Amino acid sequence: ETGVTQSPTHLIKTRGQQVTLRCSSQSGHNTVSWYQQALGQGPQFIFQYYREEENGRGNFPPRFSGLQFPNYSSELNVNALELDDSALYLCASRWDTRSYEQYFGPGTRLTVT
Amino acid sequence: QQQVKQSPQSLIVQKGGISIINCAYENTAFDYFPWYQQFPGKGPALLIAIRPDVSEKKEGRFTISFNKSAKQFSLHIMDSQPGDSATYFCAASRETSGSRLTFGEGTQLTVNP
Repeated sequence: ETGVTQSPTHLIKTRGQQVTLRCSSQSGHNTVSWYQQALGQGPQFIFQYYREEENGRGNFPPRFSGLQFPNYSSELNVNALELDDSALYLCASRWDTRSYEQYFGPGTRLTVT
Repeated sequence: QQQVKQSPQSLIVQKGGISIINCAYENTAFDYFPWYQQFPGKGPALLIAIRPDVSEKKEGRFTISFNKSAKQFSLHIMDSQPGDSATYFCAASRETSGSRLTFGEGTQLTVNP
């Protein structure tokens, strides 16, 4: 086990709604990244947070946003859900931006209908 | 733009055989190459990783071979076991991009008893 937890495990939302996914990093890990993994594909980088500030973003629109809190927890928020947002959302934590090893949580399976 | 290409898409080997998965990358700035193992319903788990200053790294039954000039790296699983049946992802990152991971498309490995 990586010590990274995510909630909820599964979620079903309707197109146009908003969703918040949560992640709890390993204690001491001040860098968290979020990835989207569509079915049958590799994870795609969404963004990264370091010490509560966004520190890099992939090719995702602004309706994907996040927060990181001092207690090593973080959130991924997605507004105006689209059908293509259906995916497994993964968070990964590491000690800081200089450390390479990233440890993934089990993910949240989001289904948009 | 697919910066990391992985092959084969699926692989079937017999118990005790050698599983080989290949990856090729485009960006010469990448300086960290991990392999992740993912079981259904789970997040990716870091298996083994290599930096470009070495050509091979071995950990137990898992070996990474790295060819910097060809911009290719591969994972070898010796004495493959049914418990190794999973999806394997290669990835690459570079320190100057905050170590965001760029993943390959994945290889579904099945080891028959």
